[in-house]
Amino acid sequence: KAGVTQTPRYLIKTRGQQVTLSCSPISGHRSVSWYQQTPGQGLQFLFEYFSETQRNKGNFPGRFSGRQFSNSRSEMNVSTLELGDSALYLCASTSVGAYEQYFGPGTRLTVT
Amino acid sequence: QKEVEQNSGPLSVPEGAIASLNCTYSDRGSQSFFWYRQYSGKSPELIMSIYSNGDKEDGRFTAQLNKASQYVSLLIRDSQPSDSATYLCAGLIQGAQKLVFGQGTRLTINP
Repeated sequence: KAGVTQTPRYLIKTRGQQVTLSCSPISGHRSVSWYQQTPGQGLQFLFEYFSETQRNKGNFPGRFSGRQFSNSRSEMNVSTLELGDSALYLCASTSVGAYEQYFGPGTRLTVT
Repeated sequence: QKEVEQNSGPLSVPEGAIASLNCTYSDRGSQSFFWYRQYSGKSPELIMSIYSNGDKEDGRFTAQLNKASQYVSLLIRDSQPSDSATYLCAGLIQGAQKLVFGQGTRLTINP
């Protein structure tokens, strides 16, 4: 079974721009969670989607948003990028009724 | 107080020895705990999950959970150089599909 895939793998953007990241979960998984990883803050939860609905949200500003499609693929968007948004963005998928989260390879975002 | 705290490390262990990684948590409602391994430049890889008090063994790995003490640990027996990585402890927030991670412990296995 294929793992979680994320595109693009690397991205360089300029302050003030916006970015959209994509995540395809493991086949059959319907929950997708997004995390931000930085050297200073570690891994922090952004939000979680299940059946196209956001069920949980972390403590990030409204510039961070996401959505999920009927095929469980998910996107996250960051608007008005700031230098501090430079990070590894990870998505993880979970099977229905399970608790284990499996991570994709991540998207490395650099904001200049 | 952070919700999940780990030994700051780094931890250095000789090859073949037992590596012991520790984690404490503050949310008594957390029921599920996970250990992830993250190699430099890679994403976290799930290696162990534990839901009930006691020990859970999988190959060279043993996870231990003590809910009364709010303590989770990971033992790696017969440590190999390939075990050198950062190990992340995570707790699942009760009622939410949200993992709260510790800062991670960098483990180095010396040949």
